[in-house]
Amino acid sequence: DAKTTQPPSMDCAEGRAANLPCNHSTISGNEYVYWYRQIHSQGPQYIIHGLKNNETNEMASLIITEDRKSSTLILPHATLRDTAVYYCIGPEIGTASKLTFGTGTRLQVTL
Amino acid sequence: DADVTQTPRNRITKTGKRIMLECSQTKGHDRMYWYRQDPGLGLRLIYYSFDVKDINKGEISDGYSVSRQAQAKFSLSLESAIPNQTALYFCATSDSGDHTGELFFGEGSRLTVL
Repeated sequence: DAKTTQPPSMDCAEGRAANLPCNHSTISGNEYVYWYRQIHSQGPQYIIHGLKNNETNEMASLIITEDRKSSTLILPHATLRDTAVYYCIGPEIGTASKLTFGTGTRLQVTL
Repeated sequence: DADVTQTPRNRITKTGKRIMLECSQTKGHDRMYWYRQDPGLGLRLIYYSFDVKDINKGEISDGYSVSRQAQAKFSLSLESAIPNQTALYFCATSDSGDHTGELFFGEGSRLTVL
């Protein structure tokens, strides 16, 4: 699995875009980048994933740099309900993958 | 009903007792996982299974065992519980195709060992 590095915490004002960075400098060519979030002590929730191209779904957008060494999860209009811990992980698709989570980024959305 | 169901949701037990946490899923996924989360920390993988006859150790398997009784069921056992196994435990499932990194988690089982 790719080793990922995320800032421990971030703040964002409600209604503004939240941009959460992740470094994955050791990622290999066939490793996807996955993002999850965990609200309080609930089970983590899948948000989005990508390989090379930028991706967008109803929850967020994922921007992956051309060299694939880093990515940014964008919540375009953060709400208080987006307050959570966000995890970036890099499992290898199609192989026996140990899906390991780091400590993530704690995003606090404020009024 | 939840796609991934964990039982019990909360359990308090004493040191030395045998504990089983159960997980069942209705998603039809081949892959199942058990994770442990300690306060302020991320999730650590205990065991994972890619099908009924497949069991693999994760990062922190010591003191734990698992059983994959059927495709839909994956149980985690603590043969002799100790206080530092007090944690929040999550079961998860994933497909075996191109989206193996898309995990679906249960609501968690909070275990306290006194």
